[in-house]
Amino acid sequence: GEDVEQSLFLSVREGDSSVINCTYTDSSSTYLYWYKQEPGAGLQLLTYIFSNMDMKQDQRLTVLLNKKDKHLSLRIADTQTGDSAIYFCAEAAGGYNKLIFGAGTRLAVHP
Amino acid sequence: EAGVVQSPRYKIIEKKQPVAFWCNPISGHNTLYWYRQNLGQGPELLIRYENEEAVDDSQLPKDRFSAERLKGVDSTLKIQPAELGDSAVYLCASSLDVGPNEKLFFGSGTQLSVL
Repeated sequence: GEDVEQSLFLSVREGDSSVINCTYTDSSSTYLYWYKQEPGAGLQLLTYIFSNMDMKQDQRLTVLLNKKDKHLSLRIADTQTGDSAIYFCAEAAGGYNKLIFGAGTRLAVHP
Repeated sequence: EAGVVQSPRYKIIEKKQPVAFWCNPISGHNTLYWYRQNLGQGPELLIRYENEEAVDDSQLPKDRFSAERLKGVDSTLKIQPAELGDSAVYLCASSLDVGPNEKLFFGSGTQLSVL
């Protein structure tokens, strides 16, 4: 069945790069997404990548996709304290926008 | 532009009581979703509407949960009676249309605590 897995916690120093990893199971997923959730707030779409791409860059964010290994990563350059949040990886399964989310990675940024 | 609006923000009820959540999607968005997010988990889809039609409710526990989207705009999600295990954040989302490249916009959610 469909499943998305992420590591639960990442701690980085302010100014360093953060890399959040995700694995998924549905090889037919056409789009893969990264969402950010701050405390007490809903999910905010950060970026997404189409399955025929292997990299997408958007300002400080870089998404890498290894379709063979079904591995997705999100790199945040020059991580700031405002980046502290939970980051969810999601795959669009079933041919339409039915999102299957991972459990989320909590990113903690310290001085 | 207003985002997806949900109310109430928080709800505390005793088990076996009914509860209802309300969602107002982004204007013009045809597709509306209700997700449930348990503590420490990612959101899970409960039901998806295209306009006023529920097109995917396979994950909705139909013995106690119901939803409606009259006139294809606002939506309500109801639980009757609530159980302890229903404690979660209920998120509403909307998208302009349906398709793998349609972006979902989420509301802030309703945090339900069942005592």
